[in-house]
Amino acid sequence: DTGVSQDPRHKITKRGQNVTFRCDPISEHNRLYWYRQTLGQGPEFLTYFQNEAQLEKSRLLSDRFSAERPKGSFSTLEIQRTEQGDSAMYLCASSSPDRTNYGYTFGSGTRLTVV
Amino acid sequence: AQSVTQLGSHVSVSEGALVLLRCNYSSSVPPYLFWYVQYPNQGLQLLLKYTTGATLVKGINGFEAEFKKSETSFHLTKPSAHMSDAAEYFCAVSSTGTASKLTFGTGTRLQVTL
Repeated sequence: DTGVSQDPRHKITKRGQNVTFRCDPISEHNRLYWYRQTLGQGPEFLTYFQNEAQLEKSRLLSDRFSAERPKGSFSTLEIQRTEQGDSAMYLCASSSPDRTNYGYTFGSGTRLTVV
Repeated sequence: AQSVTQLGSHVSVSEGALVLLRCNYSSSVPPYLFWYVQYPNQGLQLLLKYTTGATLVKGINGFEAEFKKSETSFHLTKPSAHMSDAAEYFCAVSSTGTASKLTFGTGTRLQVTL
């Protein structure tokens, strides 16, 4: 169990640029989640995958945001035409299909700064 | 709809003193409740969870929490604070367990002083 890995840890980008983040979940976890955390707030749900299927999307996920999990393993989150309001920590989490193992394992996050 | 309210955005205790972090939830169905800890520039680590059964749950690092349905509360406690407990603590609620999204509170920053 190597944990949930996120890359990069930090990203600084100019407004209007596109960015892509990667998340590698725990290998046996079939569920993968993306959350966004702004300063002084708790994480907010963005989207959720079970295997390669994207099963739920928050209305926070505007049309500039897209997430994929093409082979049911790693996932990417892309933000197009970034805005200053996109500056946040983007957290990925995964969970086990074992119903007795409630609760996610979070990665360390990708901190995005839009300048 | 679910929501979580954490009373007190900042709590300061002396080392060795009792830690009490408050969490109240709102859920239209029986909730699953979680406490997570976050250290600076890190992701969230699960401290403990309540799903069903015993209402007093014990977690890592000496923390425990009690689910009180009548009070819609899930307060986090630790008998004796340690300097290493200084961090941000988040309470979260889920209505259907592992497969469901979590709704988090705004967090409580715990400061531990000598």
